[in-house]
Amino acid sequence: GDSVTQMEGPVTLSEEAFLTINCTYTATGYPSLFWYVQYPGEGLQLLLKATKADDKGSNKGFEATYRKETTSFHLEKGSVQVSDSAVYFCALSQNAGGTSYGKLTFGQGTILTVHP
Amino acid sequence: EAGVAQSPRYKIIEKRQSVAFWCNPISGHATLYWYQQILGQGPKLLIQFQNNGVVDDSQLPKDRFSAERLKGVDSTLKIQPAKLEDSAVYLCASSPWGSDNEQFFGPGTRLTVL
Repeated sequence: GDSVTQMEGPVTLSEEAFLTINCTYTATGYPSLFWYVQYPGEGLQLLLKATKADDKGSNKGFEATYRKETTSFHLEKGSVQVSDSAVYFCALSQNAGGTSYGKLTFGQGTILTVHP
Repeated sequence: EAGVAQSPRYKIIEKRQSVAFWCNPISGHATLYWYQQILGQGPKLLIQFQNNGVVDDSQLPKDRFSAERLKGVDSTLKIQPAKLEDSAVYLCASSPWGSDNEQFFGPGTRLTVL
């Protein structure tokens, strides 16, 4: 079945450092890929998404590119802020026509802590 | 626009007791999901509804878990009887059909089974 693997965490950075959180996936066909973020005390929120190969999703300074050849969707940000401290989840979903359409398959999550 | 509402936010019960969670999705969203998030793991889908019909319940432990969405709007997830390993956050999410699968999540219900 489909699966998502994220880099081992937690990740601790100083403010303005460069961030990379690795994500790879195993899936049949051409799934859509997502990054969700969970801030302390809040629910999951969509951060960005990409629906086909070579698409780049971006939001709030975060970027991720859908790489089908390496089955990856790594999250990057050039300069992190204390307010970016949260748990980040990579996820995939099969597209229309499949029996598992709509369902999100999540990675285990990566805790990011940014210090001033 | 109001978000996905869930209640209660927290629940503590003893093993073998029963518990129910409620979810009210965003108005007009046809698809509703229940996920289980165990501490330190990503959410795992339990059941997916399209209007009031079940699309996927392959990972729902049907001997103890049940869910319904009778009028195609709000939904209830029940556990009876609860086990220690059911301690988790139960997340409800909704989406419009055909929205590239973007889902909107509620705040979750944190269940502790003692």
